[in-house]
Amino acid sequence: DAGVIQSPRHEVTEMGQEVTLRCKPISGHDYLFWYRQTMMRGLELLIYFNNNVPIDDSGMPEDRFSAKMPNASFSTLKIQPSEPRDSAVYFCASSLQVNQPQHFGDGTRLSIL
Amino acid sequence: GQNIDQPTEMTATEGAIVQINCTYQTSGFNGLFWYQQHAGEAPTFLSYNVLDGLEEKGRFSSFLSRSKGYSYLLLKELQMKDSASYLCAVRSRSNDYKLSFGAGTTVTVRA
Repeated sequence: DAGVIQSPRHEVTEMGQEVTLRCKPISGHDYLFWYRQTMMRGLELLIYFNNNVPIDDSGMPEDRFSAKMPNASFSTLKIQPSEPRDSAVYFCASSLQVNQPQHFGDGTRLSIL
Repeated sequence: GQNIDQPTEMTATEGAIVQINCTYQTSGFNGLFWYQQHAGEAPTFLSYNVLDGLEEKGRFSSFLSRSKGYSYLLLKELQMKDSASYLCAVRSRSNDYKLSFGAGTTVTVRA
C-alpha cells in the first residue's frame, strides 16, 4: 500500500518567493496533519484537517502560511512570501481517526536563501 | 501547553538493552505514542499506550504509568540499525486531541 506521498522532497528558493508543498494522504484516512521540524523547536503541528475541513490552524506561525485540502486525496501548504527562518523539514501525516497512529510522509526539506 | 521531557542522547552497545524515559505533564491525558526517526527520514510509529502497563512488540516494549506521568521505551537486543531518534508524543483532551512531541532521544548503538 502506498504511504503518505509528499512533493517536492527538496526545495531551495530565494526569500520572497512563493513556496507550495504538496501531500497525498493514505487512501481512506480522514485526518491530515502538517508538521514542521527544526533542530531548535522539534516537531510542531501547524494545522490539521478532518474530512477535508481545517479543524485547528493555531500552529500556523503567521499569515504568510496557508493550507488547503480541496479533496480527500490532496493537500497543499503554501508560504508566501517565504523567509529564511521558514527553512525546515515539513512533514505531512495522515490517520484513520484522530486517536489512531499517524503515518508520516518522507517530508520536504525546505531551504530559503 | 504540554511539558514532555526525555533525555537528549543515549549510547549503548550492540546486543544490549536501552531504556528511554519520558515524563509528561498534561491534563486530560488521552494516550502516549513512541515514534522512531532515522536521520533524514520520516518518523515511523512504534507503539501506543493509553492504559497503565506494558505493551510488547518484538524487541520493543513500551510502559505507561498515568498516575506518575511516566513512560519508557525499552529496546532489547540492540542492533546497529536501531541508531535513531526516538520521539515521545502525548495526546490530551485539553489540547484538542492533538499530538505534542518531545524533543527526541538520539540513541547511538556501538559495535
